[in-house]
Amino acid sequence: DTGVSQDPRHKITKRGQNVTFRCDPISEHNRLYWYRQTLGQGPEFLTYFQNEAQLEKSRLLSDRFSAERPKGSFSTLEIQRTEQGDSAMYLCASSLDRVIVYEQYFGPGTRLTVT
Amino acid sequence: AQKITQTQPGMFVQEKEAVTLDCTYDTSDPSYGLFWYKQPSSGEMIFLIYQGSYDQQNATEGRYSLNFQKARKSANLVISASQLGDSAMYFCAMSALMNNNAGNMLTFGGGTRLMVKP
Repeated sequence: DTGVSQDPRHKITKRGQNVTFRCDPISEHNRLYWYRQTLGQGPEFLTYFQNEAQLEKSRLLSDRFSAERPKGSFSTLEIQRTEQGDSAMYLCASSLDRVIVYEQYFGPGTRLTVT
Repeated sequence: AQKITQTQPGMFVQEKEAVTLDCTYDTSDPSYGLFWYKQPSSGEMIFLIYQGSYDQQNATEGRYSLNFQKARKSANLVISASQLGDSAMYFCAMSALMNNNAGNMLTFGGGTRLMVKP
């Protein structure tokens, strides 16, 4: 039984470059979430997928950000033209669509540093 | 809109003693869930405990219990018999509970850093 995995774990990039992160959820989980966590803060919601459909997007997700989950399994988060303010931990979580409890299981995160 | 407030940026506790981490919340959703997560220095968020807004009894999971006071809008985490491995950041979070395609995304507080002294 494997948990949520994310790749890469660390990414250093120069301002203006594009980066892409991957998330592999727990296999039977149909819901997938992306969060961003800056230093000393709690995670903030970015976007959510149910199967392959992207159903919610936060206002934090500017037009430089795009997320996909093409076959309802793994997901990618791309940031174009990175800025220093994009430096953060990007967390992916997944959950199972149950009636009452929606606990989310998180991956180890991708730490992005924009220089 | 939902809001979570954790007023204790840092806490010390002696090993083997109990500690309470405070969490207050605000929401207009009629049905919601409250969660606590632990984040060690490795960065992974670990789910600890869940409380539903209509649950009559306080949730317990091993050494963790959630002191839920709905009228006060508080959901404090109690850790009994603290261990050195409990040293970490602790986040309180909430989501609306709806039986539809809504996202149930989590809203997190700012966290409390717990340090267990030997």
